[in-house]
Order: sequence, then C-alpha cells, then structure tokens
Amino acid sequence: GENVEQHPSTLSVQEGDSAVIKCTYSDSASNYFPWYKQELGKRPQLIIDIRSNVGEKKDQRIAVTLNKTAKHFSLHITETQPEDSAVYFCAASIGGNYGQNFVFGPGTRLSVLP
Amino acid sequence: ETGVTQSPTHLIKTRGQQVTLRCSSQSGHNTVSWYQQALGQGPQFIFQYYREEENGRGNFPPRFSGLQFPNYSSELNVNALELDDSALYLCASSTEDEQFFGPGTRLTVL
Repeated sequence: GENVEQHPSTLSVQEGDSAVIKCTYSDSASNYFPWYKQELGKRPQLIIDIRSNVGEKKDQRIAVTLNKTAKHFSLHITETQPEDSAVYFCAASIGGNYGQNFVFGPGTRLSVLP
Repeated sequence: ETGVTQSPTHLIKTRGQQVTLRCSSQSGHNTVSWYQQALGQGPQFIFQYYREEENGRGNFPPRFSGLQFPNYSSELNVNALELDDSALYLCASSTEDEQFFGPGTRLTVL
C-alpha cells in the first residue's frame, strides 16, 4: 500500500524567511496531493493541493511542487509569519470508487520565531 | 470553518466498552471518511462511506464499524475499546478530491 514520508519532523525559521517541507510517496497510482495545516487543538485545514497532471501550484505565499517521476512533492512557504506556526501534514491519495482517501505523512512542526 | 460537525467533543470510556461517534457532513457532500489521529501523529484512514455503503477501508480491525444515513450523516462505532484507541477521531466530508475535516472527537480510554 501507499507509504508517505515527510521531512523534517520539526522546523524553526525566523519570521520573514522561507520554509520548505518535503514528502515522498510510494504508490505511482496516487494522483492527488493535499497539504493540511493543524494548529494546536484544532482540525486539520486544507491549505493547498496539487493534482498529478500539474507540476507546480501557487497561492499567495504558499506553493507546492510535484515531481511524479521521483515521487516527491514539497510545500514552500515564503515570508513566514508567526501565525504560520503549526503542524503541517502532506497526504497522498489512495483512490476509491467514489472519491479519494488519503495516507498522511507524520507531520512537520513549524515554528516561526519573531 | 467547514460545515462538518461532530459530536461529542470529548468522551471518556473504560476498556472493553463500546462507543458511537457522530458526524454531519457539509451540505452537498455525499462522501464521509473517518480518520484516527493519535497524539503527535498524522491522521490514519479508517474507512469511507458513499451513499450509505462502505467504499474503502484502512488497516483497522472489524470492531471499528460505521454507518451512513440517507442525509449523508455518519456514525463510527468502536466495540471492545482498548487503551490504544485513545485518539482524536476525525470525520471528513468530500466531493471528488477535496476533503474537509470536522473538529474531531477526543476519545480517552481508561
């Protein structure tokens, strides 16, 4: 089955710097890759996603890149702010007859230092 | 915030008991998935329901079961609770690809 690895497990950056989180997946059939942000005590929130027919997607300060050949995808956050501090999860789809299900990475705890 | 709601917010049970968790999906979403999130880990897929039928299952034993109702709301039932079942249980509703999570139910098994 699908296996998703995520690095680093913790990341500290200075406010205004960039942060990069990397994930790899094992199943070449996966075709949808969402990223979730989870603040302490709250639900995971979808922040950006990418489909396998696209190499890069950007939404303001957040961007995601996908390399299907190498089976890895990355989250890039530019001009980080203290409110970006949270745990970030990548996920890879494992399909389903009527919609996707996901395998999640173990998470990256991002701390943005003021 | 998403339109996905879950109840109860918190629950404490003892080992061997049974528990039922509830989820109301976002309007227009006919697919509901359940995930278990242990402390410090990513969510793990339990199963998904589409139009009242199970549509995929993760690596969880049969004592984890579910239901989906005609209004697309859903229940997760766990029998014979074990200490390791202590976790945040998340429900997510979706159409096609995107999944949106509810606030979760924190289950503690003593």
